[in-house]
Amino acid sequence: DAGVIQSPRHEVTEMGQEVTLRCKPISGHNSLFWYRQTMMRGLELLIYFNNNVPIDDSGMPEDRFSAKMPNASFSTLKIQPSEPRDSAVYFCASRRSREGLYNEQFFGPGTRLTVL
Amino acid sequence: GESVGLHLPTLSVQEGDNSIINCAYSNSASDYFIWYKQESGKGPQFIIDIRSNMDKRQGQRVTVLLNKTVKHLSLQIAATQPGDSAVYFCAENSYGKLTFGQGTILTVHP
Repeated sequence: DAGVIQSPRHEVTEMGQEVTLRCKPISGHNSLFWYRQTMMRGLELLIYFNNNVPIDDSGMPEDRFSAKMPNASFSTLKIQPSEPRDSAVYFCASRRSREGLYNEQFFGPGTRLTVL
Repeated sequence: GESVGLHLPTLSVQEGDNSIINCAYSNSASDYFIWYKQESGKGPQFIIDIRSNMDKRQGQRVTVLLNKTVKHLSLQIAATQPGDSAVYFCAENSYGKLTFGQGTILTVHP
């Protein structure tokens, strides 16, 4: 298994630019999660999808952040315009979810974003 | 102004010792708990999980204990090895979402 795949692994951009992070979940997993990790706030859930449908986006910081999941094998997290305070490591995770059953989330390697 | 990061608890042990990492969770409705290990530059990696109807679960060299009365979770690592050095996170599941603790830094000295 390839695991969760994220790209790019590192992104350096200037303030005001648009940033798009990409994620390919594990095949057969029907839930996908986007997290942000910083020294200040630790690991925070931004948004998650079940069967490609956004279920909870209460963790998305503001309107500059948006996420999509056009199909079961691909998701994007977009920041437009980016700001220096968005600098963090962004993780994507996936899980096989079934009602009443619990399964662990598998994390990708993360994208380290630096906004100058 | 000066930025202040999270001050993670730290645990330092000698190789071969047993390690115990503790975690207090907040939501009494949480029904599933997971321990993750995160090495530098990598994503969190699943170690072991436990459902709320259990109070103990054992894996290979690891044991998780759950005390719902005081909302406390612990991870025990037997015969700790240098490769166990990492940040360890507990996570609680509630309504399909995981909430992560701040993490504990484990350092194993040869």
